[in-house]
Amino acid sequence: ETGVTQSPTHLIKTRGQQVTLRCSSQSGHNTVSWYQQALGQGPQFIFQYYREEENGRGNFPPRFSGLQFPNYSSELNVNALELDDSALYLCASSLARGVSDKLFFGSGTQLSVL
Amino acid sequence: GENVEQHPSTLSVQEGDSAVIKCTYSDSASNYFPWYKQELGKGPQLIIDIRSNVGEKKDQRIAVTLNKTAKHFSLHITETQPEDSAVYFCAVLRQGGTSYGKLTFGQGTILTVHP
Repeated sequence: ETGVTQSPTHLIKTRGQQVTLRCSSQSGHNTVSWYQQALGQGPQFIFQYYREEENGRGNFPPRFSGLQFPNYSSELNVNALELDDSALYLCASSLARGVSDKLFFGSGTQLSVL
Repeated sequence: GENVEQHPSTLSVQEGDSAVIKCTYSDSASNYFPWYKQELGKGPQLIIDIRSNVGEKKDQRIAVTLNKTAKHFSLHITETQPEDSAVYFCAVLRQGGTSYGKLTFGQGTILTVHP
């Protein structure tokens, strides 16, 4: 177990709706990254948060947004859900930027968009 | 952007045999290379990693080798056990700039170890 916890574990939404996924980072970790993993593929980087600011972003549209809170927990928000957003969403935490590159993942939230 | 190719996509071995998974990458500035194991219903678990200034690293039955000139790295598992069965992912990171936290993953290898 990594100590990274995500909620909920499973979620079903319909196209056009909005969703919020939550993540608590491992103790002592102040950096949180979010990844999308489609079935049968490797995870893809969405963005990273460090000190409550977005610190890097992958090739995802603006309807994917996030927040990081003072306790280093984080949220991923997705607006106007599309069928292709169905995937496993993974949160990973790490020590301070530049200190360690090791990312530790949670078990993910399985999102189904109908 | 970075491109990571992973082979084979599936690998079946007998218990006790060795397993080797290979990855190639495109960005010569990449400098951190982790391997993750993902079991059904779980997130990826970091099993071993290597930095660009090291050619080989070993942790019990698991080893990783890196050839920076050829831009490829490999995962070696010796004396495989049924509990090694899982999906294995290689990943690549280039430190600095806007790339913090941006691991680029391979497509994954489904390893099956038969008792």
